Amino acid sequence: DAGVTQSPTHLIKTRGQQVTLRCSPKSGHDTVSWYQQALGQGPQFIFQYYEEEERQRGNFPDRFSGHQFPNYSSELNVNALLLGDSALYLCASSFGTGRTYEQYFGPGTRLTVT
Amino acid sequence: AQSVTQPDIHITVSEGASLELRCNYSYGATPYLFWYVQSPGQGLQLLLKYFSGDTLVQGIKGFEAEFKRSQSSFNLRKPSVHWSDAAEYFCAVGASTGANNLFFGTGTRLTVIP
Repeated sequence: DAGVTQSPTHLIKTRGQQVTLRCSPKSGHDTVSWYQQALGQGPQFIFQYYEEEERQRGNFPDRFSGHQFPNYSSELNVNALLLGDSALYLCASSFGTGRTYEQYFGPGTRLTVT
Repeated sequence: AQSVTQPDIHITVSEGASLELRCNYSYGATPYLFWYVQSPGQGLQLLLKYFSGDTLVQGIKGFEAEFKRSQSSFNLRKPSVHWSDAAEYFCAVGASTGANNLFFGTGTRLTVIP
């Protein structure tokens, strides 16, 4: 049973560029959440996708957008990258929405913005 | 709104000694509580969770946590620490109704000395 997978593992981008990160949820899960973990901090919730729609959003600007596909996989897009966007981006999957079911995290994508 | 405080940024214990990591949460209703562990460069692994019922919960790797509503705490314990327990530990809280994103503390880094 495959767990949550994310790609790529590492990414280096330049300020102003755009980036797309990908996530495949754990088998049987239909909800994908994205978190940003800055160095030395705990993860911060970006948004959550369920039934191909953004259901909840944290305190992140519109530069952060996402998508969920019919197979439940998801993408996180960040436009106009800033140095402060450098972080570990974690994807978490769960089953259902509306209550906090336990979330399974992927290994993350390390984004470095120069 | 939910929030989590982990007052200890860094803890050092000797191998074989007992461990207690502190977590205090803020949430108006009954919270869902979680402890995750993160090894360097890795994603988050769920150690244990509390949804309801018995306030002492057992997790993986010999960890346990106790929910104390009167103190708004959910401290993590282990009777005998192993060198492989060295990692970053995050406490998280989620809502029992409505949104199911997680709010994380800033983490406690555990160092184990031989």
